[in-house]
Amino acid sequence: LAKTTQPISMDSYEGQEVNITCSHNNIATNDYITWYQQFPSQGPRFIIQGYKTKVTNEVASLFIPADRKSSTLSLPRVSLSDTAVYYCLVGDISTTSGTYKYIFGTGTRLKVLA
Amino acid sequence: ETGVTQSPTHLIKTRGQQVTLRCSSQSGHNTVSWYQQALGQGPQFIFQYYREEENGRGNFPPRFSGLQFPNYSSELNVNALELDDSALYLCASSSPGTSGEWGTQYFGPGTRLTVL
Repeated sequence: LAKTTQPISMDSYEGQEVNITCSHNNIATNDYITWYQQFPSQGPRFIIQGYKTKVTNEVASLFIPADRKSSTLSLPRVSLSDTAVYYCLVGDISTTSGTYKYIFGTGTRLKVLA
Repeated sequence: ETGVTQSPTHLIKTRGQQVTLRCSSQSGHNTVSWYQQALGQGPQFIFQYYREEENGRGNFPPRFSGLQFPNYSSELNVNALELDDSALYLCASSSPGTSGEWGTQYFGPGTRLTVL
């Protein structure tokens, strides 16, 4: 069963780059790694998704090494509004039942300071 | 394009009762997943429905059950409510084959269930 771990919390100042790493020791071969942002009492909001190497969109970059046992979300020039909890999400297929399940990371609470 | 919607927004029940939560998937999505998020914790996968069949399940007892309808909307039913069932229940929809095994999941705003 895949297990995902993230740092519990991080502090950063406005304008800095923030990198959050998720370790996932065993994920489904065909699945993507997805990152979400969540504010209190709201549903997770999609940030970025990737399978291998590097992906970049208008808000973030995602780095995935060849072994896919980890991924790093990079947020360039954070602002106060980026204060939130960040989760990685991976998929896992049971070796016994063949059924699929999703596993969220433990979550990283990012606090951006002025 | 309509996003994922959930109803009701908030719900209060007493221990032992039953509850039904509803989810409408995003336009073009045919797969729905449900998650439970206790206060201060990350979301935990309950199950996933595709073509009206459950095709994946997390570590939740059978009193957590679901349905998916031909229009891809879904229900989560919880019987014999316990105090620990108090949580934010999240629904996500996706479309297989677009990216990864079951596609990118997009989440609704959640239903806050309080069990007294």
